[in-house]
Amino acid sequence: GENVEQHPSTLSVQEGDSAVIKCTYSDSASNYFPWYKQELGKGPQLIIDIRSNVGEKKDQRIAVTLNKTAKHFSLHITETQPEDSAVYFCAASTRGSQGNLNFGKGTKLSVKP
Amino acid sequence: EAGVAQSPRYKIIEKRQSVAFWCNPISGHATLYWYQQILGQGPKLLIQFQNNGVVDDSQLPKDRFSAERLKGVDSTLKIQPAKLEDSAVYLCASSTWTRRTYNEQFFGPGTRLTVL
Repeated sequence: GENVEQHPSTLSVQEGDSAVIKCTYSDSASNYFPWYKQELGKGPQLIIDIRSNVGEKKDQRIAVTLNKTAKHFSLHITETQPEDSAVYFCAASTRGSQGNLNFGKGTKLSVKP
Repeated sequence: EAGVAQSPRYKIIEKRQSVAFWCNPISGHATLYWYQQILGQGPKLLIQFQNNGVVDDSQLPKDRFSAERLKGVDSTLKIQPAKLEDSAVYLCASSTWTRRTYNEQFFGPGTRLTVL
C-alpha cells in the first residue's frame, strides 16, 4: 500500500521566517495531495491541496509544490505567524479526495514571536 | 454550516470492556469516514461509507471493531473487547460525493479513548 514519509518531525522558526515541510510517497498512482493543519484538541483542517496534473499551487502565504517524477511534495509557509503553530500533516490518495487518505506522521511547527 | 459532530469527546475504559462512538456528519454529506489517530502519528482510515454502504473497510480489525451507518446519516463505531493498543483519538470525517473526485473531507473534533 501507499507509504507517506514526512520530514521534519519538529520545526521551530522565528516569526516572519519561512517554513518548509517535505513529504515523499511510494505509490505512483497517487493523484491527490492535501495538507492538513491540526491544532490541539481539534480535528485536522484542510489548508491546501494539489492534484497530480498541477506542479504548484499558492494561496496567500501558503504554497505547495509537487514533483511527480521524484514522488515528493512540499508545503511552504512564508511570513510565519504565531497562529501558524500547530501540527501539519501531508497525505496522498490514489482515488482523489474521496478515497483513503494516507497520512504522514506529522510535523509540529512552532513559531516563536 | 454546522461541522461534523462527535460524542463523547473523551472516554476511559478498562481493557476487555466495550465502547461506542457516535458521529453526525455535515448535513447532505453522503460519504463518511472513521479514522484512528494514535499519539504522534497521522490518522489511519478504518472504514469509509457511501450513504449506508461500505466502500472500504480493509484496515478495520473486524474481530473487534464494527461500524454501521443506518439510514445513511449518523454512524456508530464500536470496539468490543478493547485492547490497550486501541488507545487513540477516533476521528470522523465527511464529504459530499459527486462524480468529481476532489471534494474536501471535513473532520470532527474526535473522541479520545484511553484503555487502561
